[in-house]
Amino acid sequence: AQTVTQSQPEMSVQEAETVTLSCTYDTSESDYYLFWYKQPPSRQMILVIRQEAYKQQNATENRFSVNFQKAAKSFSLKISDSQLGDAAMYFCAYRSAVLGTDKLIFGTGTRLQVFP
Amino acid sequence: DGGITQSPKYLFRKEGQNVTLSCEQNLNHDAMYWYRQDPGQGLRLIYYSQIVNDFQKGDIAEGYSVSREKKESFPLTVTSAQKNPTAFYLCASTRGSRGRTYEQYFGPGTRLTVT
Repeated sequence: AQTVTQSQPEMSVQEAETVTLSCTYDTSESDYYLFWYKQPPSRQMILVIRQEAYKQQNATENRFSVNFQKAAKSFSLKISDSQLGDAAMYFCAYRSAVLGTDKLIFGTGTRLQVFP
Repeated sequence: DGGITQSPKYLFRKEGQNVTLSCEQNLNHDAMYWYRQDPGQGLRLIYYSQIVNDFQKGDIAEGYSVSREKKESFPLTVTSAQKNPTAFYLCASTRGSRGRTYEQYFGPGTRLTVT
């Protein structure tokens, strides 16, 4: 079975600085998808970024980028120029590419605090 | 605007009562999901449905039941058999089980408290 591990329960960053959130996963599959979701205090889950395992290029969405290391099974999220609105819980998630298996497997989350 | 609605936002029940959480989507998505979130834990899958009139158990289905009579609706019933029903429940949907868009869209959630 696949597992997702987020080893940092809490992280903090100064506004305008850069922070990296860690995620590792375990799978025997070669094709899959990885996601970072943000959950602000409203508790609405918002997709931040996604990565297809078959793509070598790291995904980027504005201030958010990932460092995808397939061999190491590592998928970290880098937030540049941090803003107060980035404060939230961040969840890493895995999804198999096998047809018919749509479920997401989530890590336990990292709470990010942003200080002015 | 398209999206997922969950109602109510907060729900209170007495122990021993069944309760049904509503989830409706107007995104024309085929697949729908129910997750449970507890403090200090990630989301755990309760049930999912890839097509109308069909659904599968997730990782923690015991004490829960679902139905999928319409594409837009996927209600979750928390039965009295669920030992620890107090939690935050999230509904999600995605376009087709074989589609190339794998993003799951989430509803705003329902906080259930059972005393």
